[in-house]
Amino acid sequence: GAGVSQSPSNKVTEKGKDVELRCDPISGHTALYWYRQSLGQGLEFLIYFQGNSAPDKSGLPSDRFSAERTGGSVSTLTIQRTQQEDSAVYLCASSSSGGYTEAFFGQGTRLTVV
Amino acid sequence: TQLLEQSPQFLSIQEGENLTVYCNSSSVFSSLQWYRQEPGEGPVLLVTVVTGGEVKKLKRLTFQFGDARKDSSLHITAAQTGDTGLYLCAGVYVGTYKYIFGTGTRLKVLA
Repeated sequence: GAGVSQSPSNKVTEKGKDVELRCDPISGHTALYWYRQSLGQGLEFLIYFQGNSAPDKSGLPSDRFSAERTGGSVSTLTIQRTQQEDSAVYLCASSSSGGYTEAFFGQGTRLTVV
Repeated sequence: TQLLEQSPQFLSIQEGENLTVYCNSSSVFSSLQWYRQEPGEGPVLLVTVVTGGEVKKLKRLTFQFGDARKDSSLHITAAQTGDTGLYLCAGVYVGTYKYIFGTGTRLKVLA
């Protein structure tokens, strides 16, 4: 596609429910990143994919968070048993070679846990 | 932990004024990007710098990469209300592949 696409754009969920966030990167981009941005804060790194592999998961806050990427393209970030502190904007980015070229961002998914 | 400090955090200026935003680290970057983010949108890339001492210009915006590749600055000349937004620097440290973001500078330009 022309740009990075994320869905849904907004998600309101009840505490304790599971959510899935989707990212469609730019076609041909091998590197994919997930970040989290809380209100008024900078971007917090969550996980990095190169192809379908995730060599760096160090930013995932807890074992309730997981992510996968299939076919070297679409990625899903899953949050199980959501908590109120999970409320944030979740941003996905892709780049053509990971760390050496520009990262292009989607518009983000705003997650609100009530 | 590698930290990327950005200053100032907030800046409110009158239209026509000049301003500079700084991005500093204690470690060496292989590349550094500047992004601008509008409310409800993802960050949009403004520029990438990779060579120490490099200066890039984008209309009224001037980006400089420090000689040692540990710091960068963004200078805006004659700010306009359309420059209002969150400015983020993001660095890739040597030997790594992930973009580490600064805390951001929230700029408001008043008419």
